[in-house]
Amino acid sequence: ETGVTQSPTHLIKTRGQQVTLRCSSQSGHNTVSWYQQALGQGPQFIFQYYREEENGRGNFPPRFSGLQFPNYSSELNVNALELDDSALYLCASSLRRDPPYEQYFGPGTRLTVT
Amino acid sequence: QKEVEQDPGPLSVPEGAIVSLNCTYSNSAFQYFMWYRQYSRKGPELLMYTYSSGNKEDGRFTAQVDKSSKYISLFIRDSQPSDSATYLCAMSFIYNQGGKLIFGQGTELSVKP
Repeated sequence: ETGVTQSPTHLIKTRGQQVTLRCSSQSGHNTVSWYQQALGQGPQFIFQYYREEENGRGNFPPRFSGLQFPNYSSELNVNALELDDSALYLCASSLRRDPPYEQYFGPGTRLTVT
Repeated sequence: QKEVEQDPGPLSVPEGAIVSLNCTYSNSAFQYFMWYRQYSRKGPELLMYTYSSGNKEDGRFTAQVDKSSKYISLFIRDSQPSDSATYLCAMSFIYNQGGKLIFGQGTELSVKP
């Protein structure tokens, strides 16, 4: 069974640029959630995708957007990057969108905005 | 006030000690309570989850939930150097809230040989 994978591992971008992060969910999982983890903080929920539709969203501006593909892999897109967007971006997959929300995380993509 | 509060530590204990990690929360609607372990430069790993109040045991780990006090704990018995990591509590609602988990800040634990 393959776990959650994310690419790239690290990324450096300039303020104002756009970035796309990718996630492959664990085998059999149809739900993908994205989180932002700033240094020394817990992860913060960005949004969740279930069967290619956005299923819920946290307090993030519209410049954070996503996609889920028929194979349940997912992308996170961030436009007009700001310095505060520097963080570890985590993708988590789950077998279903209902409780208890057992979510399995990937290793993350570390984004640095300069 | 944050919805979930967790002492960031760092917490340093000798090998073999019993470790107690705690979180408090403000929203009484939380029903699922989870503990994740995160090693440096890795994603969080789900350790345990409990529903509503009560205890749950898994090997050296015991999770406790006290909904009346809005307080959850994770106990680690016979702690090992390999337990050195950041421990994150997380919570969610019973109804579909888009799969949102609300995390604490994380407690950094160091177990010294």
